[in-house]
Amino acid sequence: EPEVTQTPSHQVTQMGQEVILRCVPISNHLYFYWYRQILGQKVEFLVSFYNNEISEKSEIFDDQFSVERPDGSNFTLKIRSTKLEDSAMYFCATQTHNTAQYFGPGTRLTVT
Amino acid sequence: AQTVTQSQPEMSVQEAETVTLSCTYDTSESDYYLFWYKQPPSRQMILVIRQEAYKQQNATENRFSVNFQKAAKSFSLKISDSQLGDAAMYFCAYFMDSNYQLIWGAGTKLIIKP
Repeated sequence: EPEVTQTPSHQVTQMGQEVILRCVPISNHLYFYWYRQILGQKVEFLVSFYNNEISEKSEIFDDQFSVERPDGSNFTLKIRSTKLEDSAMYFCATQTHNTAQYFGPGTRLTVT
Repeated sequence: AQTVTQSQPEMSVQEAETVTLSCTYDTSESDYYLFWYKQPPSRQMILVIRQEAYKQQNATENRFSVNFQKAAKSFSLKISDSQLGDAAMYFCAYFMDSNYQLIWGAGTKLIIKP
């Protein structure tokens, strides 16, 4: 069964550094999302992406964040200058029309 | 704005018994989708079941079924014949096409007693 994959599974970085989280969507999916979950807390929406542009973004998704799909397969989330409070699990999710969102296994980001 | 409420932070059930997890939501829309996701200790987010709001019939997936009450804006999950592998956080989520995002409840931790 096709699945969403994410790399790396765990990323440790120093405050102020840039990180790129990668996601490979299910091949016929058209809508892509990033969510994050701080340990023990609710899942938070970051951004949705369709037709090579952002469809919706939350207040969390400020100028430090960006997304792109550079090669038509990978869907990336970049955090330009990480902060301690960016430490969280980051989930990529993808869907096609009228289906549920399917999630990758997540990337655990630790900012020290 | 749409909101999703899960009023039970934690539930426990004896193995092989049945348990129901509650979820209510608030929306003024008539066309939307509702989901239950399971998050085991591995933190993977796994789709359990989905319900389209326009469908009157309650969704069922093996031991998992929902009780969807559209007028009451209620969407509970029933797990029959609970198994140890069902132990996880369960999240209720709402989706509307025009919003392009899932809106999440706070989750219910399900404990299975052997």
